[in-house]
Order: sequence, then structure tokens, then C-alpha cells
Amino acid sequence: AQSVTQLDSHVSVSEGTPVLLRCNYSSSYSPSLFWYVQHPNKGLQLLLKYTSAATLVKGINGFEAEFKKSETSFHLTKPSAHMSDAAEYFCVVSPTGFQKLVFGTGTRLLVSP
Amino acid sequence: NAGVMQNPRHLVRRRGQEARLRCSPMKGHSHVYWYRQLPEEGLKFMVYLQKENIIDESGMPKERFSAEFPKEGPSILRIQQVVRGDSAAYFCASSPSRTYPSSYNEQFFGPGTRLTVL
Repeated sequence: AQSVTQLDSHVSVSEGTPVLLRCNYSSSYSPSLFWYVQHPNKGLQLLLKYTSAATLVKGINGFEAEFKKSETSFHLTKPSAHMSDAAEYFCVVSPTGFQKLVFGTGTRLLVSP
Repeated sequence: NAGVMQNPRHLVRRRGQEARLRCSPMKGHSHVYWYRQLPEEGLKFMVYLQKENIIDESGMPKERFSAEFPKEGPSILRIQQVVRGDSAAYFCASSPSRTYPSSYNEQFFGPGTRLTVL
């Protein structure tokens, strides 16, 4: 079965400092992996996706993630946090060839001035 | 191009009543997915539909829940005889027609319907 584990329920950073949101996955197949962001009372927006092409994936708003098969990780990073980055972030896996998305429990990112 | 629309945004029901949640996919999208988010949890897949067909309902509770996506009109998630445990945010997503075998089509999410059962 496919699953993802988000290692931190909350991450707090100061504006201008780097962001690291951790995600480990479990998959029997070559997975597709995604990061979605959810702002309060809004729908989810796709930040980036990995679908077995380049292992370093660049997304919107300066975010990127690196797929590391040996570590079964897909951590999300950003060099410099902005106040507008404060939101809930979900790591998501999808079995290859299937449309069902499997979500992690989310990491709430707090950004202080 | 309007995004995925869901209504109502908030729905309050008493135990035993019925809840109907509506989802209008993005223009040109023929695939609809429903997910449920319980408090402090991630989203859980419920059902995947195409026009007039249920493709995958492996995440749907066996009783009281049903979904449809008719030829005309929005997709409907129906919960009969609601209980307090049904209180959650229900999200709909849509995607365009899929290219087989394994290319991924991004799912575009609506703002969700927050159901509260009293």
C-alpha cells in the first residue's frame, strides 16, 4: 500500500530564513509524488510534482523538492520564507497509473516577522 | 476559466438528516474526485467518477454515502441519516481526460464544503 509520512505537524521559521518540510513515502511501485498547499478556507493548490523525470523538482513560489529513492524521501524546501508562505502543506503520493491521491497528515508552516 | 466550484461552503445538519454536497468541475474536465478531511487529519480519497460512471469507490463508506456525476449538472455527494462522525470538510477535485497508461493529470481542488452535524 502507498503511504506518506510527514514528520513534523508544525514548523516555525522567521521570514527570510530557509524552509524544510519533511516527507517520507512508502511505495511498492515507482510512485508519483506531489506537494500541495492549503491556505485557510481555500482549496488545495499544487506546488510541484515528481513523475519519474528529474529528481530535483522546481515548483511555484520558489519551492523545490528532491526525490531520493535511497532514503524514500521527498522533502520540500525554499531558500527564503515569506509571510505569505504560512499555510498547511500536504505531501501526496499516487500509485503509478492510478488517479487516487494518498495524503499525508499535513505540516502547518508558521512564518514570523 | 472559473475553478472548481463547491456549494454550499458550509452546511449544518442535525443527526438523521440528509446532506447533499455539490461540485461543478472546471470547464472541460470530465473527471471528478471526492475527498474527506477529518479534523487534524489529511484528506482521504472517497470516490472517483466520470460522467455517468463510478470508476473507483474504494474509499466510500459502505452505508449512507453515495455519489453521482450525471451527464448534465454538477456531481453530488449524498450522505443519508448523518451522524456526528460525518462532520468534516469535503473536497472535490477535477481533472481533464486522462491519457493512458500512466501520465498524471493534475487534480484541481475546490474550496471545500464544511459539514457540521449537530
